[in-house]
Amino acid sequence: AQSVTQPDIHITVSEGASLELRCNYSYGATPYLFWYVQSPGQGLQLLLKYFSGDTLVQGIKGFEAEYKRSQSSFNLRKPSVHWSDAAEYFCAVSTSGTYKYIFGTGTRLKVLA
Amino acid sequence: DVKVTQSSRYLVKRTGEKVFLECVQDMDHENMFWYRQDPGLGLRLIYFSYDVKMKEKGDIPEGYSVSREKKERFSLILESASTNQTSMYLCASSRGGILSTEAFFGQGTRLTVV
Repeated sequence: AQSVTQPDIHITVSEGASLELRCNYSYGATPYLFWYVQSPGQGLQLLLKYFSGDTLVQGIKGFEAEYKRSQSSFNLRKPSVHWSDAAEYFCAVSTSGTYKYIFGTGTRLKVLA
Repeated sequence: DVKVTQSSRYLVKRTGEKVFLECVQDMDHENMFWYRQDPGLGLRLIYFSYDVKMKEKGDIPEGYSVSREKKERFSLILESASTNQTSMYLCASSRGGILSTEAFFGQGTRLTVV
């Protein structure tokens, strides 16, 4: 079955520390991969996406993600976290020509001052 | 920039009421979606529309219906609201067919049924 797993429900980091959020997927077709961020009470904003090509993709707000096909992973990273990064992060997968987006259950990030 | 606008940020309705959640997008997208978001469950697809007057059930359609009379507008209808439909509702849109890429989301409607 197609699925997206975000194994960490909550993560707490100190401001200025590095961050890695994990995402693993199970998907039969060549995947399109996404990371979204949701601030409290808001909708989802796209951070970055991977369709093809370079497996290291850059996004907004200083985030990057690396696609590792052998591990079926698409982990999100940021070298230095800011207090404003506190939010919930969702990994999602889709494929060309389909409407179906499969979302993980999210990772809530807390940032300590 | 793509804009997806949901008509209400917060709604409080009574059990048994008929509830309409409205969503409008301004980028001529073919696909529109309604998701429900609950803590620990992520986003669950209620209904999807790939064209005017076309709709498909998602993973949790029970208790909901939808309407898409115009390409830019997609409405979610709760025929008889119940307390277990208290949730955050997110509308999204995307391009259709092989051009389909990412989904763009509205700000969400937090619905409370009392």
